[in-house]
Amino acid sequence: ETGVTQTPRHLVMGMTNKKSLKCEQHLGHNAMYWYKQSAKKPLELMFVYSLEERVENNSVPSRFSPECPNSSHLFLHLHTLQPEDSALYLCASSQRVSSTDTQYFGPGTRLTVL
Amino acid sequence: GQQLNQSPQSMFIQEGEDVSMNCTSSSIFNTWLWYKQDPGEGPVLLIALYKAGELTSNGRLTAQFGITRKDSFLNISASIPSDVGIYFCAGQGTERIQGAQKLVFGQGTRLTINP
Repeated sequence: ETGVTQTPRHLVMGMTNKKSLKCEQHLGHNAMYWYKQSAKKPLELMFVYSLEERVENNSVPSRFSPECPNSSHLFLHLHTLQPEDSALYLCASSQRVSSTDTQYFGPGTRLTVL
Repeated sequence: GQQLNQSPQSMFIQEGEDVSMNCTSSSIFNTWLWYKQDPGEGPVLLIALYKAGELTSNGRLTAQFGITRKDSFLNISASIPSDVGIYFCAGQGTERIQGAQKLVFGQGTRLTINP
């Protein structure tokens, strides 16, 4: 399934760097999500965009800043991260207000903060 | 908040054996999803269930939406080496976020297969 793509696949950054993660979905969906997956922890929902409007921010630190310029693209801007932010960051999309909606995930970006 | 209990946490089986895992909750869900995740990759959807009692197959995989809407199971028959990975259940309850999904995820079942 290549419906949701993420770049880069791997990223190593220092605590003072600024970087961005990109997600693109080719499924015609109108809801997009950012998740964080750390070792031995369940998936943590970070942000939700519905019709390009941010509708959920799960107490995520301000060093993570999402952006959704249109229904196909989602970004996660990173600055002054901490080593504990190292994780797999997953993007997903779905069709909102559907009785048979399903979230499809991208391959993730493996982030390492030094 | 809603929680899912997924079991077992890990399984070590021989190739060719059947596998069974399940998720339970004290809350009602309207949708159950089963995903598989390979190392360094994102979860890939295996089976989606939308109606209580629904039994759905995808090749050697079979999943059921519990009649109480509080549980679901996934079975894999005649396991092969490529079945190795982490399997997650996810449920969509009554709460949505401006129409978007709010999935609750299980902790995952790590499947290891001895050839």
